[in-house]
Amino acid sequence: AQSVTQPDIHITVSEGASLELRCNYSYGATPYLFWYVQSPGQGLQLLLKYFSGDTLVQGIKGFEAEFKRSQSSFNLRKPSVHWSDAAEYFCAVGAETGRRALTFGSGTRLQVQP
Amino acid sequence: EAGVTQSPTHLIKTRGQQATLRCSPISGHTSVYWYQQALGLGLQFLLWYDEGEERNRGNFPPRFSGRQFPNYSSELNVNALELEDSALYLCASSLSPTGGFDTQYFGPGTRLTVL
Repeated sequence: AQSVTQPDIHITVSEGASLELRCNYSYGATPYLFWYVQSPGQGLQLLLKYFSGDTLVQGIKGFEAEFKRSQSSFNLRKPSVHWSDAAEYFCAVGAETGRRALTFGSGTRLQVQP
Repeated sequence: EAGVTQSPTHLIKTRGQQATLRCSPISGHTSVYWYQQALGLGLQFLLWYDEGEERNRGNFPPRFSGRQFPNYSSELNVNALELEDSALYLCASSLSPTGGFDTQYFGPGTRLTVL
C-alpha cells in the first residue's frame, strides 16, 4: 500500500523568502503525485501534479515541484512567498489500480511572517 | 466552468441521528469520491462512485453509505451518528478512469458537527 510522509508539521517563513515543503512517498510503481492547498475551513485546491515526463513541474500561484525517484521525494518550492500563501499544504499519491483513492500526507501548515 | 459543489455548508446533528450530505461534480465528470477530514486523523478516503456504482470504499463502518444519481451527483449518508463523526467531509470528482489516474478536484466541503 502506498504512503506519504510530510516531515514538517509547521513551517514559518518571512514574506519574500523562499520556501520548500518536503514530501516523501512509498509506492511500488510509478506514482501519480499531487500537491493540494487548503485554507482554513475550505476545500482542497490543486496546485500541481506529476504523472510522467519532465521531473520539474510548474503549478499555479508560482509553485513548482521536483520529482526525484531515487529519493522517493516530491518537494514543493516557491522562490518568494506571499502572505496569501499561508495555508495548509498536502502532498498526495494516487494509484492507478485498486481503489483509486488519493493517499494524503498529514499536511504542513505554513505561516508567513510580515 | 463550475467546480464541485457541496451542500449544506454546515450541518449540526445529535448523536444517533442521520446526516445526508450532497455533492455535484464538475460537468463531464462521472466519478465522485468522498473523504473525511477529522481533527487529528487527516484526510481519509471514504467512498468512490463511478457511473452510478460504488466502486470501492475505505475502512469505515457500513453506517457510512451513499449513492450516485443518473446525473452523477452523489449523496453521502451517515447513520447512527457518533461524536467522532464530527469532521469536514470533502467531495471530489474526476473523469471516468480509463487507465492511469485521473486528477481529483475537490469541493468546499460540508462541516458536520455531532452534539
